[in-house]
Amino acid sequence: QSALTQPPSASGSPGQSVTISCTGTSGDLGGYKYVSWYQHYPGKAPKLMIYEVTKRPSGVPDRFSGSKSGNTASLTVSGLQAEDEADYYCGSYADSNNLVFGGGTKLTVL
Amino acid sequence: EVQLLESGGGLVQPGGSLRLSCAASGFTFSSSAMTWVRQAPGKGLEWVSAISSSSDVTYYADSMKGRFTISRDNTKNTLYLQMNSLRAEDTAVYYCSKGRKHPDYWGQGTLVTVSS
Repeated sequence: QSALTQPPSASGSPGQSVTISCTGTSGDLGGYKYVSWYQHYPGKAPKLMIYEVTKRPSGVPDRFSGSKSGNTASLTVSGLQAEDEADYYCGSYADSNNLVFGGGTKLTVL
Repeated sequence: EVQLLESGGGLVQPGGSLRLSCAASGFTFSSSAMTWVRQAPGKGLEWVSAISSSSDVTYYADSMKGRFTISRDNTKNTLYLQMNSLRAEDTAVYYCSKGRKHPDYWGQGTLVTVSS
């Protein structure tokens, strides 16, 4: 069982918005600003999409946005495109200098 | 362009050892903390270990403490993971990544299979 809880799947039609949640505890996601989101195509290198809750690395489209409230973080993908279909993982810095991740959410573009 | 290239994976028997390597390029390796993350078949990402830029501090997940050792050679721009006393549950793709609190670049991974 993963340290952070994500729904196993999410879906939306092209052009729609979809939000993926990630729930942790005060010892990880709720207690730190270091919440991140990764896009992962099977067999490829995971790609950082959001870091420090809301920040986007250079080159990541502004269709991707992050937020956090209490022990729950969210990734919103607006204007869904076919190429957004991938696995998405949340991550958080945690007590004891660890990193913890969610179990992943498979995003399907209908 | 940042590149991270893992190697050293393969099939190993339970109780055996393996050393993974990660060749880094495209950034100042000696200034960057580095992290290993793994993904078991059909499972999510699991943090394994991290090391500071100068090797003075190392971090391990509880299930790897005492069995895995992370190290680096800043003269060779290479990160290592020595894995001993391997178990079936260590079977996974192992990813090398740059950074510690939110790794920003990852390699494509190397598969480690622990089986008799």
